[in-house]
Amino acid sequence: QQQVKQSPQSLIVQKGGISIINCAYENTAFDYFPWYQQFPGKGPALLIAIRPDVSEKKEGRFTISFNKSAKQFSLHIMDSQPGDSATYFCAAIFSGTYKYIFGTGTRLKVLA
Amino acid sequence: NAGVTQTPKFQVLKTGQSMTLQCAQDMNHNSMYWYRQDPGMGLRLIYYSASEGTTDKGEVPNGYNVSRLNKREFSLRLESAAPSQTSVYFCASRQGRGSYNEQFFGPGTRLTVL
Repeated sequence: QQQVKQSPQSLIVQKGGISIINCAYENTAFDYFPWYQQFPGKGPALLIAIRPDVSEKKEGRFTISFNKSAKQFSLHIMDSQPGDSATYFCAAIFSGTYKYIFGTGTRLKVLA
Repeated sequence: NAGVTQTPKFQVLKTGQSMTLQCAQDMNHNSMYWYRQDPGMGLRLIYYSASEGTTDKGEVPNGYNVSRLNKREFSLRLESAAPSQTSVYFCASRQGRGSYNEQFFGPGTRLTVL
């Protein structure tokens, strides 16, 4: 019940295309769903996050879509650029705990 | 404002050796975390400290010990390193227990145990 399942494990997209990464969770107590971006040799950094009372959040080319009934959320990267090549992690947390639950990560490569 | 800093950046140990990974944050955060990152496994929580003076086990605590030295510093110790502890270790901090408080990560320590 504490897992967050992330797919795909890796993704190759052409420049200008749309990258889509999916996550699914079981624990309905989760109340915050952040996405982290990690470049090689660096620590993860917060990219965008959503609360479960919102179905979509957009920041620039990055959008989170949230489906509460299906217990799924996804990251969409529009007009993908080579600079977006990184590993992306979804995560979940609920306010009664200090612990984030992370997905296993998706390595994205955007071809020039 | 350096954020979260970790030392060393790289370390090679022989099986059975011990070492301490250091972490410090200058954001006055209450909670601090140690994760390990392995290919295909994502980020797994080793230990965390909700506040100064407290520590709790995470998902994979075996073979590790931690010390919350003060509000700024949180160290991770490997008493007798094993090859299975070869990994990249990340320290993180956040303000408190509220869900919406962002978690900030350090740059990581790449550890190889031979």
